[in-house]
Amino acid sequence: QVQLVQSGAEVKKPGASVKVSCKASGYTFTSYDINWVRQATGQGLEWMGWMNPNSGNTGYAQKFQGRVTMTRNTSISTAYMELSSLRSEDTAVYYCARDHGGGGYDFGRGQGTLVTVSS
Amino acid sequence: QSALTQPASVSGSPGQSITISCTGTSSDVGGYNYVSWYQQHPGKAPKLMIYEVSNRPSGVSNRFSGSKSGNTASLTISGLQAEDEADYYCSSYTSSSTLLYVFGTGTKVTVL
Repeated sequence: QVQLVQSGAEVKKPGASVKVSCKASGYTFTSYDINWVRQATGQGLEWMGWMNPNSGNTGYAQKFQGRVTMTRNTSISTAYMELSSLRSEDTAVYYCARDHGGGGYDFGRGQGTLVTVSS
Repeated sequence: QSALTQPASVSGSPGQSITISCTGTSSDVGGYNYVSWYQQHPGKAPKLMIYEVSNRPSGVSNRFSGSKSGNTASLTISGLQAEDEADYYCSSYTSSSTLLYVFGTGTKVTVL
């Protein structure tokens, strides 16, 4: 069973950076892409980008290009998403999700990580 | 790239069937079979219900089914149950140069 355990909530000031972790278990970490999706309070889902944990290759939504970096540590089956130059509009719950195949993602009942950007 | 269009709300009585539409373009829904659907209860992570237009992951009830015609995908919930009350989102692969996947605007399903 896919399990994705994310780091805890963060409060950041505008202009700062945040790094969210996503520890995977229940499957071979390097065999499936990891996607990151965010959701502002009361809003819909927004796809941010993907990472191949085996190669480290990434692809980012143009909206986040230059501000987002997705990395991994295969020795501990953990993916990371770092977002810089934070602004209030980045306040949201950030989810990691494993590629399921056929265009779907498995969020693995993860809890998400609330990032609050406030001065 | 705009979000895929879904109705804001759909409602039905227990036991009834409801259908949620998801309208895109030939660059996303109409061009690829990588359409998926997610159920999200308040305060919870989304749950994959349908992938590749009409396939159900293991453990998802067969009351949920998906289809596609042209640029519009649909999710049908038959035998509606109280536990089906949730938000539902569609998603599609897109050939847009700005992102790889696009989500729908979301639909609130209410069980009357």
